[in-house]
Amino acid sequence: DAKTTQPNSMESNEEEPVHLPCNHSTISGTDYIHWYRQLPSQGPEYVIHGLTSNVNNRMASLAIAEDRKSSTLILHRATLRDAAVYYCILRDQNSGYALNFGKGTSLLVTP
Amino acid sequence: DSGVTQTPKHLITATGQRVTLRCSPRSGDLSVYWYQQSLDQGLQFLIQYYNGEERAKGNILERFSAQQFPDLHSELNLSSLELGDSALYFCASSFGQGVLRYTFGSGTRLTVV
Repeated sequence: DAKTTQPNSMESNEEEPVHLPCNHSTISGTDYIHWYRQLPSQGPEYVIHGLTSNVNNRMASLAIAEDRKSSTLILHRATLRDAAVYYCILRDQNSGYALNFGKGTSLLVTP
Repeated sequence: DSGVTQTPKHLITATGQRVTLRCSPRSGDLSVYWYQQSLDQGLQFLIQYYNGEERAKGNILERFSAQQFPDLHSELNLSSLELGDSALYFCASSFGQGVLRYTFGSGTRLTVV
């Protein structure tokens, strides 16, 4: 699976939107873009995933660049509960391999 | 509650000992994945099972082994424990092999003293 690059950390104010970037310049046509997050002392949880088009769900939005070499996870209104490590992961839709978690971005949300 | 149950939540044991961690996947899920998370290594994939069969191995040590039983629960066995094995061990499940949405348990914190 292709590699992703994320900032080590980001900070946001509560109730403001947060844009978490992810670069994946070597993405292949069959790689899905996944986002998971891990709250302190918990297991990772699924946030969203997409292939080419932008995606929305109750937790977040995923904006995918037209060339697919980058994507952005958007939290529309950050809450203190959104403080977590966010992982951007690529995985081929046909791959039988497990998700490979990198370092992720540690998001700090301040009141 | 994610639906994935891991027991025990905490485990303290001495070096050289053997422990077994247990995972019950979410109802209907056939795949189980084990991950190790230590402070300096992040989440490391250990091993995957699908419907009772081993499907993929990651950075799993020879001292570690796992299996998935007919009722689909899985056990991770860690033997000859070393201080460096202290970590959080997570289990995740998914419906299939290629399915991309995992559900993780809350983990077992292993401390080796």
